[in-house]
Amino acid sequence: TQLLEQSPQFLSIQEGENLTVYCNSSSVFSSLQWYRQEPGEGPVLLVTVVTGGEVKKLKRLTFQFGDARKDSSLHITAAQPGDTGLYLCAGLLYNNNDMRFGAGTRLTVKP
Amino acid sequence: DVKVTQSSRYLVKRTGEKVFLECVQDMDHENMFWYRQDPGLGLRLIYFSYDVKMKEKGDIPEGYSVSREKKERFSLILESASTNQTSMYLCASSLWGREVETQYFGPGTRLLVL
Repeated sequence: TQLLEQSPQFLSIQEGENLTVYCNSSSVFSSLQWYRQEPGEGPVLLVTVVTGGEVKKLKRLTFQFGDARKDSSLHITAAQPGDTGLYLCAGLLYNNNDMRFGAGTRLTVKP
Repeated sequence: DVKVTQSSRYLVKRTGEKVFLECVQDMDHENMFWYRQDPGLGLRLIYFSYDVKMKEKGDIPEGYSVSREKKERFSLILESASTNQTSMYLCASSLWGREVETQYFGPGTRLLVL
């Protein structure tokens, strides 16, 4: 089992819809990051959240770090085909500073 | 901008061959990492290095070795490739000693072992 569970694993929506993807764990993280990966490319960092309860916005993307620093969510408003990709969360474990990745949510936004 | 490059985007090798995957970063980062990425399993850490000639095993080091002779270069070696090593291999680098560790990734090498 993954230390970081991402859900849903796959998501296919129409352009203009809103969506939320989740990253959950029973472990506490010093920080948590979201990456987007396009086919055939490496992951690219979108955001880092550090404080429990923190909310960060990046244009139409809203990221939230859980109060207990065990989980996070990514909300996309009015999704566009350019948002298509694999969204990965990664956390820096609080107790040993190891970085752990989730398996990702594969998002497809249809025009 | 940080740039991490990997020597090949695609490789096809035969079982038993020795395979070298090269990674170079241009930001003077101390830390470098090798991951493999498989569907449904996410990124799994193979090896990492926090300094020249230093290496540490990650979660799945079996069947792999690494070399870090220069700070900017981190090589992954498959001594005798096997079909279960068919995967996407990602290299990353980061600065040392930061609590908030941002890893910068290369474009990946997709390896097929026949």
